[in-house]
Amino acid sequence: DQQVKQNSPSLSVQEGRISILNCDYTNSMFDYFLWYKKYPAEGPTFLISISSIKDKNEDGRFTVFLNKSAKHLSLHIVPSQPGDSAVYFCAASGNTGKLIFGQGTTLQVKP
Amino acid sequence: SAVISQKPSRDICQRGTSLTIQCQVDSQVTMMFWYRQQPGQSLTLIATANQGSEATYESGFVIDKFPISRPNLTFSTLTVSNMSPEDSSIYLCSVRRDIATNEKLFFGSGTQLSVL
Repeated sequence: DQQVKQNSPSLSVQEGRISILNCDYTNSMFDYFLWYKKYPAEGPTFLISISSIKDKNEDGRFTVFLNKSAKHLSLHIVPSQPGDSAVYFCAASGNTGKLIFGQGTTLQVKP
Repeated sequence: SAVISQKPSRDICQRGTSLTIQCQVDSQVTMMFWYRQQPGQSLTLIATANQGSEATYESGFVIDKFPISRPNLTFSTLTVSNMSPEDSSIYLCSVRRDIATNEKLFFGSGTQLSVL
């Protein structure tokens, strides 16, 4: 039972354009959502998060949008840079504090 | 942030053997976790390493297969026992500094395990 799903295994965008990574969840008890970025041979690093009381959180080039009614969140990166090429994981947590991760989306930003 | 040292970074092991992975944190942390990432899959929580007591395992993971130690607030080990090729994965140590449920996790660099 995959509670957090990233249905696109890969995404390719041109440098300077917007990257949009999507994530869906099924558990309505989730109240906190995070995005992690992972480079090869490194552990995931925290990127940005959002609480369920908000619908948007912005940090520089990165913005996360949350649509609770659709149980959907997305990460926007604009403008995209070649250094953004990595695997992006969506994660969600509820009152247990445990993080449930999606399968990841590999983003490739072409120069 | 927390600096997490995990070793070995990678290993190739024979079927039936065991491997112990170490995780060292540069400061005391309340919670330490072990995750597994199988090829093409998401990060799956194996267990919570509890200081001074037995680890708390998630569904599908058992102590005999993945014994965990946590002797203090900065160190933990995960052993993958009696390995089979299905255990080939990336194993990740992660920490949370305090008990707040929404605090983000910090991750080690991972151990890439291949079982022949």
